[in-house]
Amino acid sequence: GQQLNQSPQSMFIQEGEDVSMNCTSSSIFNTWLWYKQDPGEGPVLLIALYKAGELTSNGRLTAQFGITRKDSFLNISASIPSDVGIYFCAVRVFGNEKLTFGTGTRLTIIP
Amino acid sequence: GAGVSQSPSNKVTEKGKDVELRCDPISGHTALYWYRQRLGQGLEFLIYFQGNSAPDKSGLPSDRFSAERTGESVSTLTIQRTQQEDSAVYLCASGGTSYEQYFGPGTRLTVT
Repeated sequence: GQQLNQSPQSMFIQEGEDVSMNCTSSSIFNTWLWYKQDPGEGPVLLIALYKAGELTSNGRLTAQFGITRKDSFLNISASIPSDVGIYFCAVRVFGNEKLTFGTGTRLTIIP
Repeated sequence: GAGVSQSPSNKVTEKGKDVELRCDPISGHTALYWYRQRLGQGLEFLIYFQGNSAPDKSGLPSDRFSAERTGESVSTLTIQRTQQEDSAVYLCASGGTSYEQYFGPGTRLTVT
């Protein structure tokens, strides 16, 4: 099946710092999604990307669909305490409805 | 309701018993998905419904797992003869005309 390499696995940052995480694969995808999951809850969709090269923002979040269609990054600017959680990338292959998820990046903010 | 709801939120069962997990999708969403999330891991796809048909069951781990959906509404995921390795959070998502999937809070299943 498709393998998504998500990095880093975990991040420890101070409030106010910028964050960058990414997902890479050896396969081509036509949809990249970024989700955030808080403890005890289901993932919440942050950003959806449908076109190679697309750069999309949602408040302090910015994500890009890599031009090769094999990668994507998510940036968070000026982190705040509520940004704590696990961030997952997810991909969809054309003609297949299921999503394949990365292994997640756990974000912790150090007081 | 506004979002996807799932019940129960927690389920503890003895090994060998059957369990049923329920998902209520967002009203009007034709697509419904079930995923499993083991502790500290990402989500594994189980099954996808379009309406009440299931074109993709490829993720169901064994024949102990089955799911059904009534029309374009409620879905139930049934696990028969539960095993300890079935312990996980079972997440349901629904989707409309776009490819975005919206998740419920999950059912945490513990098999003792």
